[in-house]
Amino acid sequence: GESVGLHLPTLSVQEGDNSIINCAYSNSASDYFIWYKQESGKGPQFIIDIRSNMDKRQGQRVTVLLNKTVKHLSLQIAATQPGDSAVYFCAENLTGGGNKLTFGTGTQLKVEL
Amino acid sequence: KAGVTQTPRYLIKTRGQQVTLSCSPISGHRSVSWYQQTPGQGLQFLFEYFSETQRNKGNFPGRFSGRQFSNSRSEMNVSTLELGDSALYLCASSLTQGAQFKNIQYFGAGTRLSVL
Repeated sequence: GESVGLHLPTLSVQEGDNSIINCAYSNSASDYFIWYKQESGKGPQFIIDIRSNMDKRQGQRVTVLLNKTVKHLSLQIAATQPGDSAVYFCAENLTGGGNKLTFGTGTQLKVEL
Repeated sequence: KAGVTQTPRYLIKTRGQQVTLSCSPISGHRSVSWYQQTPGQGLQFLFEYFSETQRNKGNFPGRFSGRQFSNSRSEMNVSTLELGDSALYLCASSLTQGAQFKNIQYFGAGTRLSVL
């Protein structure tokens, strides 16, 4: 069945350090993955996406890595800033699933000054 | 360009009532999806609309329904409200249906529904 899980519910990092948020997925039919950031009182905000024919994609201060062999996804945030404090969700989209997203449980990222 | 707009932002209802939530997608976006977010269940897919037709449906009871208008605006309705329906209801819009090409979904701020 479909399931997307996160390894850690809370991650605390020092300002300026790099953050790594992990995500496991179980459905090999998933071909599109997205990371969202959700701040308190707001809706999820798109960060970066990756398709299953790629294993790495970089954005501004963020990198997503996809390991299809072990069905693992990670989000790396470089030089973490206080404004990065939020809940991060990974989501997967199945081939033929239209726009339906299956979300992970979320990781709370706390940036300590 | 305006983002996804959801109204109202907050709602308080009592058990047994019904409620209608509204979503205006980003201009030019034709697909609208709805999600329910609760602390216990996280973000769960409700349904997706494209060209006024429901294209996809999640595992929710028939009390949850929706529709899409010709201008791509969407509404969702929950009838006979239960306490467990208290949640943040999020709407997301995207350019297309996502059948052949994947496209980013952009979320609104949500409607916070409290059922008393």
